[in-house]
Amino acid sequence: GQNIDQPTEMTATEGAIVQINCTYQTSGFNGLFWYQQHAGEAPTFLSYNVLDGLEEKGRFSSFLSRSKGYSYLLLKELQMKDSASYLCAVRDRDSGGYQKVTFGTGTKLQVIP
Amino acid sequence: NAGVTQTPKFRILKIGQSMTLQCTQDMNHNYMYWYRQDPGMGLKLIYYSVGAGITDKGEVPNGYNVSRSTTEDFPLRLELAAPSQTSVYFCASSYPGGGVSNGYTFGSGTRLTVV
Repeated sequence: GQNIDQPTEMTATEGAIVQINCTYQTSGFNGLFWYQQHAGEAPTFLSYNVLDGLEEKGRFSSFLSRSKGYSYLLLKELQMKDSASYLCAVRDRDSGGYQKVTFGTGTKLQVIP
Repeated sequence: NAGVTQTPKFRILKIGQSMTLQCTQDMNHNYMYWYRQDPGMGLKLIYYSVGAGITDKGEVPNGYNVSRSTTEDFPLRLELAAPSQTSVYFCASSYPGGGVSNGYTFGSGTRLTVV
C-alpha cells in the first residue's frame, strides 16, 4: 500500500513563492504527479516526475527525491487564480503488475492580496 | 475533442434506489477509472479498467459495479443507494505506460446525494 502526506492548508501572498511538500511511502514507485483542483471542479494535471530532480513548467516546478520519498511543488509569482487544492499522487505497481495511482488528501492553498 | 464526459452532473437519490453514472471518452485511452471524493478528502479509487472487457476493484468497491464493453464507455452502477455513497464521483482516463502522456484526464464530476 501507500501512505501519502501533504499539509492540509497553506496561505501565501500574491506575487510570492510557495512550496507545497509531499512525502510518500511505497514499495514499487513508478512516478509522482501533481494535480490542481479548483473548488467544485475536476482535478487538472500539472506535472509528472519519475526521475530525481526538478521539472520546470512556467511558473510551476516540481521536484522529486526517490531515496527520501519526497516531492515538492513550487509555485512562483503567485496569482489569485492559483487559490486551489493541490493533489500529490503516486503511481506504483501492484501485485498484478498494474500501475495504480493513489492520491493524497490535497493541500488547500489560499492566495491573499 | 470532448475528452471525458460524465452524466449526470447532479443527482439526488433516495435510500435503496439504483442508478448508473455514465462516462465516455473520445481519446482512445485504454485505461479508465472511477474515483469518489468526499469533502476534504483525497480521491479514492472505486474501480478501474485496463481495456474493453477487463475491470478490477480499487480501494472502495463495495456497493458499486462497473462494465467495460467498449473502449469509450465505462459506466458505474450503484445498487441500493446508501447515505454513505453521498459524494462527488469522477471518471478519468489515461494511456498505459509511463511519461507525461500518462497523466489522467478527468471528467467534470457527478455530485450525488443519497437521502
